[in-house]
Parts: sequence; C-alpha cells; structure tokens
Amino acid sequence: QVQLVQSGAEVKKPGASVKVSCKASGYTFTGYYMHWVRQAPGQGLEWMGWINPNSGGTNYAQKFQGRVTMTRDTSISTAYMELSRLRSDDTAVYYCARDVDWLLRYYFDYWGQGTLVTVSS
Amino acid sequence: QSALTQPRSVSGSPGQSVTISCTGTSSDVGGYNYVSWYQQHPGKAPKLMIYDVSKRPSGVPDRFSGSKSGNTASLTISGLQAEDEADYYCCSYAGRVVFGGGTKLTVL
Repeated sequence: QVQLVQSGAEVKKPGASVKVSCKASGYTFTGYYMHWVRQAPGQGLEWMGWINPNSGGTNYAQKFQGRVTMTRDTSISTAYMELSRLRSDDTAVYYCARDVDWLLRYYFDYWGQGTLVTVSS
Repeated sequence: QSALTQPRSVSGSPGQSVTISCTGTSSDVGGYNYVSWYQQHPGKAPKLMIYDVSKRPSGVPDRFSGSKSGNTASLTISGLQAEDEADYYCCSYAGRVVFGGGTKLTVL
C-alpha cells in the first residue's frame, strides 16, 4: 500500500532553515509528482510547490520562491522540502502529498502524516 | 485571505443533506473544471473526496457529490453520518493552486 512517512517535528529559530523529508513506499517513486502543502495552526491549507521525482524539476508557488528548495533522492525514494530564512509565521504542519497521476493533475491522493515546524526565538 | 470563499461552518442532523459552497472567479473555479474537495479530521492529514468537480476516488462513498455552477463549486453530503463531521476544503487549479478557507461541518 502507498505510504508517505515524514520526518519528525522541528523547532527552529527565526532566520534558520528547516529540511523536512518524505519517504515514499508502495509505488514507483519516480512515477508521480510530489507536492508540499502546509497548514498553520487553526488555519487552512496552502500549496507550496511540486517536484518531479523523475527529472528533479520543480515548480514553486510565487510566495515561496527564493526561500524554498525541493529535492529528491531516488535511491531511497525520498523527497525533501527545505525552507530558509524562517519567520514566526512559517510555524505550521508541513505535508507531502502525491499527485494522483503521472500527468500532473494537481489533485493529492496520498498524504504524509505531517511534520510540525515551530519557529520561535 | 483565501482565494476561494467557503462558509466557515455548516451543520446538519444525521440522515440529512448538507451543501458546502466554494466561490471563486472566472479565472479559477469558473474557468476550469479543476476543482477538488478534501476532508480533514482533527489532527489528521486531508483526504481527497472529489476531483474534476464531480468525480469520486475509489473508496469514497457515493453520499459525497460535487457540482459547479458559474464561479461556485459545491460539495453535497447526503445521508449525513457522525463520521462526516470534519473540516472540508475546496481547491482549484488555474495556473496556481488555491484552496478555500475551509468549512467546519458539525453533525448535530
């Protein structure tokens, strides 16, 4: 069965960087785009971007361009999302989510369990 | 402020039907059929319930249905059950991904 398992919670100081991992299993990792979505406490969902695990190509939401980097390691079927220059309003649960189709449909059928990133001085 | 507008809350009794609206513009919801809906229980990851406006992924009960008219998409849940109590988010893709602010469904 498809599973996305994310790394554990992080506490960071403002200005630092955080890197969250998402290990995929149960399907061909390189066959589906991987998206990252975040959710601030008590707030809604916010799409951050995607990575094509096959090519390594990326597309970031304009809001995060210059601060986010999505990478992958195909040898261990793992995607990564690194966010730099952290601010207090980056405090959120970060999710990886698989696209439903290799054609990139922007629908997310499998999600990781979420990683809480807390930014606090 | 979210790009798509949803009611903050809706409620219904078991067995009843409820509809959650999602209003965008002609540049997103109204212009394309790339609308999806997600269900999220507290402390859990979202779950895809509807895609392409009205299609259900395998395993989603047919009590859940989606539709669209103009710039407004809707999610209807018929035969409400206690386990349907959750937050629901609409989502549209039109060059960028935008979510609604979410609607809390309470089953009375």
